[in-house]
Amino acid sequence: DQQVKQNSPSLSVQEGRISILNCDYTNSMFDYFLWYKKYPAEGPTFLISISSIKDKNEDGRFTVFLNKSAKHLSLHIVPSQPGDSAVYFCAASAGLPFMNYGGSQGNLIFGKGTKLSVKP
Amino acid sequence: DTGVSQDPRHKITKRGQNVTFRCDPISEHNRLYWYRQTLGQGPEFLTYFQNEAQLEKSRLLSDRFSAERPKGSFSTLEIQRTEQGDSAMYLCASSRSGSHEQYFGPGTRLTVT
Repeated sequence: DQQVKQNSPSLSVQEGRISILNCDYTNSMFDYFLWYKKYPAEGPTFLISISSIKDKNEDGRFTVFLNKSAKHLSLHIVPSQPGDSAVYFCAASAGLPFMNYGGSQGNLIFGKGTKLSVKP
Repeated sequence: DTGVSQDPRHKITKRGQNVTFRCDPISEHNRLYWYRQTLGQGPEFLTYFQNEAQLEKSRLLSDRFSAERPKGSFSTLEIQRTEQGDSAMYLCASSRSGSHEQYFGPGTRLTVT
């Protein structure tokens, strides 16, 4: 049972345009969400995060939006650049210790990722 | 801040052999996590340390797997009697207490033949 879902395995965008990557979650105990970027043969790199008490967080070209009622978050990249081409993972965390949701205090539950290709 | 390092980066072993991986976290981070990633999947949690105490193990962590963090600094993950299904990327991450952001190492790619 996937608690974090990224339903689009891939996304192709033209350079300079907006990239929108989506993520849905099922567990209402999640209270913190993160996006990671991963290049081949490297570990995931932390990109941006958002607490459940906020609905938006912005860092340069990257903005994450959270819709708690819909259990949905999205990552916007604008403008997209060829160097943004990578696999993007959405991850969720519940900060409460020892909760029986398949996780623990702070470990991350990841989606399967979306491969973003930004074409010049 | 030199980042999380892992050694080796690649390991090829024959079925039935034992392997050990090492992770050096970011020096001021007291939490250390091990994840496993297979093709087409996101990283899956295996186990977690706060300082030298192993506080949580996933049901993915069978009896053949053992992890240690003896002095609260580096950690090792050992897989005994490897099976082909153990082939995966093994990722280590670290974080500060109270922080949700985890910083990952480059991973160790294990191939069991």
